[in-house]
Amino acid sequence: EAGVTQFPSHSVIEKGQTVTLRCDPISGHDNLYWYRRVMGKEIKFLLHFVKESKQDESGMPNNRFLAERTGGTYSTLKVQPAELEDSGVYFCASTRPGGGTEAFFGQGTRLTVV
Amino acid sequence: LAKTTQPISMDSYEGQEVNITCSHNNIATNDYITWYQQFPSQGPRFIIQGYKTKVTNEVASLFIPADRKSSTLSLPRVSLSDTAVYYCLVGANYGGSQGNLIFGKGTKLSVKP
Repeated sequence: EAGVTQFPSHSVIEKGQTVTLRCDPISGHDNLYWYRRVMGKEIKFLLHFVKESKQDESGMPNNRFLAERTGGTYSTLKVQPAELEDSGVYFCASTRPGGGTEAFFGQGTRLTVV
Repeated sequence: LAKTTQPISMDSYEGQEVNITCSHNNIATNDYITWYQQFPSQGPRFIIQGYKTKVTNEVASLFIPADRKSSTLSLPRVSLSDTAVYYCLVGANYGGSQGNLIFGKGTKLSVKP
């Protein structure tokens, strides 16, 4: 089966610009997670979708971040406007219904805001 | 989800067995213990999961004592390619609604020749 794919792999944008990250989970995986790893820091949870619904978005840093998952398939994470501190690697993961903590991660999108 | 505590880093030589212990004193009855491995510039990769006693797969073994307040990931005969960060996660594994996957700081394993 195809794994979790993320696009782009790397994005460099200027402060104030908008960037949209995309995650395609494994087909049939209802649960989709977004994480962020800032340089030198641990992986931080951002939010969790169950199908198209946001189960928990307590990790979203502020209202400049907007995540969507229309139709319960792929998800997008938009940062608008981007700030320097948004730089980091954004990971997406998915699990089967009832798959618990056995998650499949994408390769991540490295975002650099300059 | 139960909080986990792991060593920050460990060093080992090739061919040795490496044991990484994770403490999770507040583990709940429904919680499973899962370990992930992460190489630089890659997403975490699932290694092994268990509930109690011992679980073994082609990559590692997971030892869980009866009280389940800790667990030990055992990597037999490590090689240089096992150099990575290893994360211990504790959470429910059941159908329907589920909690989040919360990562701790992980243990950075460095394998030397």
